Amino acid sequence: EVQLVESGGGLVQPGGSLRLSCGASGFIFSSYSMTWVRQAPGKGLEWVSYISSSGTSEYYADSLKGRFTISRDNAKSSLYLQMNSLRAEDTALYYCARSVRLEPDYWGQGTLVTVSS
Amino acid sequence: QTVVTQEPSLTVSPGGTVTLTCASSTGAVTSDSYPNWFQQKAGQPPRSLIYSTSKKRSWTPARFSGSLLGGKAALTLSGVQAEDEADYYCLLYFGGPWVFGGGTRLTVL
Repeated sequence: EVQLVESGGGLVQPGGSLRLSCGASGFIFSSYSMTWVRQAPGKGLEWVSYISSSGTSEYYADSLKGRFTISRDNAKSSLYLQMNSLRAEDTALYYCARSVRLEPDYWGQGTLVTVSS
Repeated sequence: QTVVTQEPSLTVSPGGTVTLTCASSTGAVTSDSYPNWFQQKAGQPPRSLIYSTSKKRSWTPARFSGSLLGGKAALTLSGVQAEDEADYYCLLYFGGPWVFGGGTRLTVL
């Protein structure tokens, strides 16, 4: 069974940093690309970032302006999202999703990030 | 900034048929945009229903279908059931980044 478990969310002050993790199981992690998606409270989905299976290709939403960095450790079956210079508008539930040929299929339950003083 | 537009809300009667659409500010949606459709119910993560315009996941009910219609991506539900009441999001590929539509809240009434 494919399982994705996000962690690392929490309360952080504006301007701070946070690193999210996504642990994968039930499939060969190194064979799949991965995606981060977020959802602000009561709002729609926002695509955040994508990383290829080998980690050699990365894409980001234009709105992030270089503040976020996606990475992965295939040996640990883990996906990461390093978030810097956090703003109130980054407050959201962050989901990781497995992707097949760029297209997300399985999703985790999400981890909540709250940016507030 | 690319914008993907969906109907904010639609209402359908049980057993009826409804089509949700997904338009791009850059022009006609084609198969090169790999339209994806997701269903999200309250308090749950999104669930993939359709990928690559019209392909169904193994768990996608037969009453859901995807297509291209008049320059837009479309999701059609035929024989709607009460359990289909949810938010539906389309996702389009733009050669690197992807962009979600704003979502359609489907009410079954």
